[in-house]
Amino acid sequence: ILNVEQSPQSLHVQEGDSTNFTCSFPSSNFYALHWYRWETAKSPEALFVMTLNGDEKKKGRISATLNTKEGYSYLYIKGSQPEDSATYLCASPTGTASKLTFGTGTRLQVTL
Amino acid sequence: EPEVTQTPSHQVTQMGQEVILRCVPISNHLYFYWYRQILGQKVEFLVSFYNNEISEKSEIFDDQFSVERPDGSNFTLKIRSTKLEDSAMYFCASKRQGGTEKLFFGSGTQLSVL
Repeated sequence: ILNVEQSPQSLHVQEGDSTNFTCSFPSSNFYALHWYRWETAKSPEALFVMTLNGDEKKKGRISATLNTKEGYSYLYIKGSQPEDSATYLCASPTGTASKLTFGTGTRLQVTL
Repeated sequence: EPEVTQTPSHQVTQMGQEVILRCVPISNHLYFYWYRQILGQKVEFLVSFYNNEISEKSEIFDDQFSVERPDGSNFTLKIRSTKLEDSAMYFCASKRQGGTEKLFFGSGTQLSVL
């Protein structure tokens, strides 16, 4: 994998559903994996920065896992709420630590 | 909570004009960045800035682009002669330390070049 990729591109779930999406990234020379939530008309906000293979992080109903050997991370949202509606971006430094390469994002819409 | 602020939120300009996008990073942050997202495309890195100089820049960041931190609080991106393809959402970001720290983003400036 030469690039940072995310799937699916968009997702529409009902309130209360649990959901997950995927980020794939180059596994060679891995440095870190970032997850951001970007609500419309607001700033992208950091959810997690993950560095260790097998790492799991949790923030409320949102959690993420990391597999650096195979180059993927999953983001899980348990019991989705309308306020979870946002674009979820993952990014990994490629080349140097200062330059993040972003995926295309997963746009999540949660309806009542 | 401290936040990164960007002005203006929207900027419309004519092709060939100069624009300056302004950012006030979080006060104790030392690393500063500009990213942009062209509609329908990925967020892409433009430039990183540390210790009053550019530390890295992308291929996009050609001679038409420049950055400045003139007074210790503002961080500006100047596009000298805008092109249609410069139309994008421009994000400023900062972080306190190097390495794996998360970025704090501003809410962006939507630049439209006509």
